[in-house]
Amino acid sequence: EIVLIQSPEFQSVTPKEKVTITCRASQSIGSSLHWYQQKPNQSPKLLIKYASQSMSGVPSRFSGSGSGTDFTLTINSLEGEDAATYYCHQSYSLPITFGQGTRLEIK
Amino acid sequence: QVQLQESGPGLVKPSETLSLTCTVSGGSITTYFWNWIRQPPGKGLELIGYISDSWSPNYNPSLEGRVTISVDTSKNQLSLTLNSVTAADTAIYYCARARTGRNWLDPWGQGTLVTVSS
Repeated sequence: EIVLIQSPEFQSVTPKEKVTITCRASQSIGSSLHWYQQKPNQSPKLLIKYASQSMSGVPSRFSGSGSGTDFTLTINSLEGEDAATYYCHQSYSLPITFGQGTRLEIK
Repeated sequence: QVQLQESGPGLVKPSETLSLTCTVSGGSITTYFWNWIRQPPGKGLELIGYISDSWSPNYNPSLEGRVTISVDTSKNQLSLTLNSVTAADTAIYYCARARTGRNWLDPWGQGTLVTVSS
């Protein structure tokens, strides 16, 4: 199965800071990479599909990029409500797999 | 707007069977693929399996042999059965919709915590 490694696993950031989370796949997955936000005691929410396509209603400060094996989720001008764990997910091959998560703490 | 709601026992004894239901409201259970995903407390996400729009199931090899996913179209419900559970099966169990077996997952249910303990 395809392994996804996210970095960093934890980051403490201040409001208005720019955050970059990376997700590296163990083999090429084209653009079949999606990003989710999970706030405490909530289910994951889809933010970005196919590496760079933002879902309706997602704030414009969230953006995704990448293809092949290396992907990035960028949050511009971080806000307090962005405190959450972020997961990448590949749907290129079965079983679908997830990264281990990146927890963002807002200082 | 489609909503998913998981339900079932919150406590299951070791070696017994875990059974959960996901009720789909605001839309039909046909035409889409329906997934079960779990998350051990404080840990990451793991696909359990899915059932296709032609009602063909596909399971994660790590769980194959213990898991069954089925659909009751008359009730607009998705079901999960996991046999011979151990403490390692303690997790929040989510159902989620996808357009195909290899696609993004949206929406998700709120999840239900199942604890395996005697």
